[in-house]
Amino acid sequence: DVKVTQSSRYLVKRTGEKVFLECVQDMDHENMFWYRQDPGLGLRLIYFSYDVKMKEKGDIPEGYSVSREKKERFSLILESASTNQTSMYLCASRFQGAGTQYFGPGTRLLVL
Amino acid sequence: ELKVEQNPLFLSMQEGKNYTIYCNYSTTSDRLYWYRQDPGKSLESLFVLLSNGAVKQEGRLMASLDTKARLSTLHITAAVHDLSATYFCASDTRGSNTGKLIFGQGTTLQVKP
Repeated sequence: DVKVTQSSRYLVKRTGEKVFLECVQDMDHENMFWYRQDPGLGLRLIYFSYDVKMKEKGDIPEGYSVSREKKERFSLILESASTNQTSMYLCASRFQGAGTQYFGPGTRLLVL
Repeated sequence: ELKVEQNPLFLSMQEGKNYTIYCNYSTTSDRLYWYRQDPGKSLESLFVLLSNGAVKQEGRLMASLDTKARLSTLHITAAVHDLSATYFCASDTRGSNTGKLIFGQGTTLQVKP
């Protein structure tokens, strides 16, 4: 069974804090993704990585950065959290351009 | 512009009824994916459709793909309350090895007893 895990299910942070969200997959997938999901806005792609140390901006990268130093781990960084980054964050992974994307359980982030 | 559009976006139906969710895509790939999301939870893969005429069934859900019409359908037979969820379709981006999918807006299905 493919497993994608995220470091936290719920997080509460203060405005201006640096926030790290971690995602780990155990299936040797090349591609990894970070999405955010807000009511009425569907899934929006923040960043993705098609291989180790490779990254590309998605549709809404502003205010975020990512790191992929190892194949199994993809981190999303909020350099200075703001209240409009309160959201559900979903990580996903996939074999190189093939097969379905497998999603982690999600992290609900609240920025106060 | 690469687009995936679902119709309807919200569907309220009685238990026991049949209905269909439509997914139109304008991407150049002919690989289509369906996901289910329960409230407050993450997305779970339901079906992978890889070629024209592909049909996949699981329980009361059946998905099909018509690549000529660039249309996929998710048919619900004799709906039960447990099927209440949001359903997403997604399409590949052909020629890309990034693995990026284009997602539809999601269809929220509410099955009333």
